[in-house]
Amino acid sequence: DAGITQSPRHKVTETGTPVTLRCHQTENHRYMYWYRQDPGHGLRLIHYSYGVKDTDKGEVSDGYSVSRSKTEDFLLTLESATSSQTSVYFCAISQEASTDTQYFGPGTRLTVL
Amino acid sequence: SQQGEEDPQALSIQEGENATMNCSYKTSINNLQWYRQNSGRGLVHLILIRSNEREKHSGRLRVTLDTSKKSSSLLITASRAADTASYFCATVLIQGAQKLVFGQGTRLTINP
Repeated sequence: DAGITQSPRHKVTETGTPVTLRCHQTENHRYMYWYRQDPGHGLRLIHYSYGVKDTDKGEVSDGYSVSRSKTEDFLLTLESATSSQTSVYFCAISQEASTDTQYFGPGTRLTVL
Repeated sequence: SQQGEEDPQALSIQEGENATMNCSYKTSINNLQWYRQNSGRGLVHLILIRSNEREKHSGRLRVTLDTSKKSSSLLITASRAADTASYFCATVLIQGAQKLVFGQGTRLTINP
């Protein structure tokens, strides 16, 4: 998976609790992305980063925040998890422009009860 | 709303046959990319085709792009059981944010 790891790989949590997902890359790529994948919706972009401390919203950013303090790490936080955030979350990276090929991590399956 | 839509949603063929999947999109694009996803795994990039290109090949894969019809096709020749996966097209729009927009995918099953 092109030097991309995600942690945890599986998580079950309760509604209202905070959750942080971590994406770590060893490729020194500039761009990093968080997607969610749900049946019937394909992949939808949550947030992305174009450099350290530089982030922007995607298509479905409500209820999520991100941070990138180092090139290699991109964190996705659910401040107060809801059942609608049950999903599989994928991190991706690309080297230069956001139009480049993206390389995906293995995914995190999150269940919010 | 989805920019790219794959057709069919599911396809089941015998090993050795060719598989064709189509992707239609709505607005002008910078490039179009195809990805594969095996069950329980992340997406893997297959081919990127730019708006000024009409056809690209990679091994058993052939991708075409018709910008006048706003459509692309992915052909997998001589299919193998290992080709069983979901296939997604993703487009980068010319206008607006330069990000990938994914379709919902085609689920391909290769029967031995």
